[in-house]
This record gives sequence, C-alpha cells and structure tokens, in this order.
Amino acid sequence: DQQVKQNSPSLSVQEGRISILNCDYTNSMFDYFLWYKKYPAEGPTFLISISSIKDKNEDGRFTVFLNKSAKHLSLHIVPSQPGDSAVYFCAARQPGSYQLTFGKGTKLSVIP
Amino acid sequence: NAGVMQNPRHLVRRRGQEARLRCSPMKGHSHVYWYRQLPEEGLKFMVYLQKENIIDESGMPKERFSAEFPKEGPSILRIQQVVRGDSAAYFCASSPRWADTQYFGPGTRLTVL
Repeated sequence: DQQVKQNSPSLSVQEGRISILNCDYTNSMFDYFLWYKKYPAEGPTFLISISSIKDKNEDGRFTVFLNKSAKHLSLHIVPSQPGDSAVYFCAARQPGSYQLTFGKGTKLSVIP
Repeated sequence: NAGVMQNPRHLVRRRGQEARLRCSPMKGHSHVYWYRQLPEEGLKFMVYLQKENIIDESGMPKERFSAEFPKEGPSILRIQQVVRGDSAAYFCASSPRWADTQYFGPGTRLTVL
C-alpha cells in the first residue's frame, strides 16, 4: 500500500517557467513533509520541508504548499533552471517518528 | 564539513556471496538510517541505529540482513548469501538528533550476478 504517491513519473518545463511537482498521501497521521532532489548516481539532497501546522513554506525559488484536507502537497520552482533537472522525491513522517515514507519520484527536465 | 560518506559506491557480488556496505555519518551526527531503493521505486526504510544500538529494524528483511553501528568506525549493513533480488541502491542517512532532517550519502549500488 503506497502511502505517498507521486503520480507523474516525469515533467518537462521550459527554462524560466514555473515547475509544479505534485504529491498525494493517504495516511492522515503524517504531520511533516519533505522534498528531496536527486541527481543520477548521487544521494537525495534535502530541499525544503513543511509542518502540518503550516500551509506554505518558501525558500528562495522553492515553495511548498500543503492542503491537509485534500492530503496533497506541491513543490513550486520559479523560475526553473536547467540545473533543476533531477528526480524529486516527496517524503512524509508521522509525529514522533524518524521513518521517512517516500514517493516514487518525479523526473523534472528543464529545457533551455 | 564532509557529508555522509558511503563506500564502496559500486559493489558487484555473485549469488551466495556476502556484501558489506559502509556508512560514515556527518560529523556530529550520531543517528544513522539505512534505506533501500529498488529500480523504479522510492526509498524504503530499513533500519535506524545509534552508536552501539539498533533502535528500529522493522524495515529489514528477517533473514540474511544485519546492521551495526559500533562505538568506533562506520555503520555497516551486511547482506549474507546475496540473491539477485538484493540488487538495489542502498542509501545511508544521518541526523544530529532522532527526529531531525536526515542527510543522505551518495549510496552504494549493489549488483548481484
């Protein structure tokens, strides 16, 4: 049973435009969400996170939005750059837990 | 400040051999987590260790897999009598405290022939 779902395996965006990566979850106990970026042959790199007490968190070009009622979060990258091309993983955690539950990832390609 | 180190980066084993994967956490981090990524899948939690203690191994297969984090030296994930289904990328992460953000190493790609 997949508790964190990233339904788009891939996404292509023109350089300078907005990239929107989506993530849905089924476990209502999750209260903390993270986005990781992964280049080929490297480990995931932490990007940004959000607690369930917030609905938005911003860090530079990256913004994460959380809609608890819909059990949905999204990562916005504005403006998109070719160096953003990578696989993006959504991850979630329950209160008082260390275990991260990951989605399968979305491969973002930013076209120059 | 070096990040999480893993070695080897690539490991090839024949069926029935043993695989040993090493992880050195970031400086100041005493919490280590191992995850496995099968092809076309997300990362799956395997085990959580602190120095000299296994805290949670609920994600580890019951047989052939073991993990340790000794007082001195790196954390080791050991797979005995490997099978083709063990072929995957194994990632180690570390954090300074138990519920903090986890920082990942580059992974070890295990191929079982």
